[in-house]
Amino acid sequence: NAGVTQTPKFQVLKTGQSMTLQCAQDMNHEYMSWYRQDPGMGLRLIHYSVGAGITDQGEVPNGYNVSRSTTEDFPLRLLSAAPSQTSVYFCASSRRVGSNNEQFFGPGTRLTVL
Amino acid sequence: GDSVTQMEGPVTLSEEAFLTINCTYTATGYPSLFWYVQYPGEGLQLLLKATKADDKGSNKGFEATYRKETTSFHLEKGSVQVSDSAVYFCALGGGTSYGKLTFGQGTILTVHP
Repeated sequence: NAGVTQTPKFQVLKTGQSMTLQCAQDMNHEYMSWYRQDPGMGLRLIHYSVGAGITDQGEVPNGYNVSRSTTEDFPLRLLSAAPSQTSVYFCASSRRVGSNNEQFFGPGTRLTVL
Repeated sequence: GDSVTQMEGPVTLSEEAFLTINCTYTATGYPSLFWYVQYPGEGLQLLLKATKADDKGSNKGFEATYRKETTSFHLEKGSVQVSDSAVYFCALGGGTSYGKLTFGQGTILTVHP
């Protein structure tokens, strides 16, 4: 199993540009989520999904869109990038039953917005 | 809502010193508690977990006990190594928050030879 994969690893955008961060998992996990990591603030939840077709907002959803058309994929879209979105983004997945909410993380995408 | 508070960092220790990183939480229901570790340039890895009160999680010489009476989950290791240098995150999940985790702010640990 590849686990949770994320692409790209690094990205530089200009203010106002849009892009999609890709996330995929091959563990058949029902739950998937996106976090951003900023210095001194830990990881904060952006959006999450409890299954295909179902998404919900986390703590910091503004400026980001998600959709979940398949169990495997959970892309994160930046509609109009802003310097405040410079961060490291992590995708994670977990099973609905029997996992005690343990999440598996991807390697991250480091995004810089100029 | 749920919240996690970790001790202020960074923490700098000499090799073979004793490590404690404090973590306290606020949550409704009966959450699971986790410690994740992030080595330089990498993603997060699960270090240990505990799913109910009085459970002790352990891995790689690290331990933490789920204390419901003090709402704490402090991380300890008796003798740290240079290779333990990393960022450590306390997190909670479950309870009323399935499918997502609430994290503390992270503690940077540096171990010198």
